[in-house]
Amino acid sequence: AQSVTQPDIHITVSEGASLELRCNYSYGATPYLFWYVQSPGQGLQLLLKYFSGDTLVQGIKGFEAEFKRSQSSFNLRKPSVHWSDAAEYFCAVGGRSGGGADGLTFGKGTHLIIQP
Amino acid sequence: GAVVSQHPSRVICKSGTSVKIECRSLDFQATTMFWYRQFPKQSLMLMATSNEGSKATYEQGVEKDKFLINHASLTLSTLTVTSAHPEDSSFYICSARGRTAYEQYFGPGTRLTVT
Repeated sequence: AQSVTQPDIHITVSEGASLELRCNYSYGATPYLFWYVQSPGQGLQLLLKYFSGDTLVQGIKGFEAEFKRSQSSFNLRKPSVHWSDAAEYFCAVGGRSGGGADGLTFGKGTHLIIQP
Repeated sequence: GAVVSQHPSRVICKSGTSVKIECRSLDFQATTMFWYRQFPKQSLMLMATSNEGSKATYEQGVEKDKFLINHASLTLSTLTVTSAHPEDSSFYICSARGRTAYEQYFGPGTRLTVT
């Protein structure tokens, strides 16, 4: 069965500092990988995705992530965080069936706190 | 990008009643829709997958007689929570994809509170 581990429940970062959120996955084949952000009481916003090809993917809001097959990781990075980045971040993995993507398995999330 | 809507955004119902939540794809044909549930301060859990015109496939531990899913058209799926109880209170989020799409698009969610 597929699974996603986000080892950090909470992370506190100073505004302007760099950020890395960790994500490890377990999946039997090449996965589809996603990072989503969720503000309190809101739905999900897709930050970036990996399907195939270049293992370094660029997303919205200055985020990027690198797929490392050997480490089963898909860590999210941002060189300089802004106070508006404070939110819950979810890593998700999915597979493929019937010609399209399966439902996703989500990690437990990392709560990002930005210090002024 | 593709847009998915949900209605209502919030609903409060009494214990024992049923509630229907709609999920619509506004600008694409959603051959597959997914329903997720998110308890407060927790992650999203996949409840079921529905393909247009077929019966939904439920994840292990999800009661299919309690959470009725209908995907009668390429733009609409409904989730009916039958005989709701306070423990069913949660944030329900749907997503949708096209026939061979890699990506699924999420709706804004529905907050269900059962009193």
